Amino acid sequence: AQTVTQSQPEMSVQEAETVTLSCTYDTSESNYYLFWYKQPPSRQMILVIRQEAYKQQNATENRFSVNFQKAAKSFSLKISDSQLGDTAMYFCAFMKPPHVSMRFGAGTRLTVKP
Amino acid sequence: GAGVSQSPSNKVTEKGKDVELRCDPISGHTALYWYRQSLGQGLEFLIYFQGNSAPDKSGLPSDRFSAERTGGSVSTLTIQRTQQEDSAVYLCASSLATAWNTGELFFGEGSRLTVL
Repeated sequence: AQTVTQSQPEMSVQEAETVTLSCTYDTSESNYYLFWYKQPPSRQMILVIRQEAYKQQNATENRFSVNFQKAAKSFSLKISDSQLGDTAMYFCAFMKPPHVSMRFGAGTRLTVKP
Repeated sequence: GAGVSQSPSNKVTEKGKDVELRCDPISGHTALYWYRQSLGQGLEFLIYFQGNSAPDKSGLPSDRFSAERTGGSVSTLTIQRTQQEDSAVYLCASSLATAWNTGELFFGEGSRLTVL
């Protein structure tokens, strides 16, 4: 079974600074997909970024980037130039086709301070 | 609709009562998922529907939980004889097809269930 671990229950960062959220996962598979989702106080989950395991290049979406270390089974999220609107719960998630259930970590609550 | 719609947004019930939670996915999305989010926990997969295929019920925690999807659109999650440990936010998500094609599930805002 695949497990996803987020070891940081809570983090905070000053506005405009950079923060990195950690995620590790456990799998014996070689082909899979990793995701970071954001859940603001409104409760609606929003996809932040995705990474295909077969791609060596780290995914980037504007201020969000990942550090994907396949051998170490690590998938951290870096948020640059943090903004107040980045305050949310962040969930790391894993999916191995064809199994369709996306496995989520317990989440990291990020607070961006003015 | 424009997004995934869930109702009710909040539900308080007494232990032993049955509850129904509704999800209206994005039009045209063939895949529909139910997840449960307990306080301080990640999202727990419950059930998955894809088109007319048999649903993947492997995540349902007990036989008190059931779900159906009528006409390939609206889904209802039913919890019978609710227990206090059923208290959680129940999230519904939909996607165009199998989610690994895009990696994106579109989530509703959830239904918060409180069992007294």
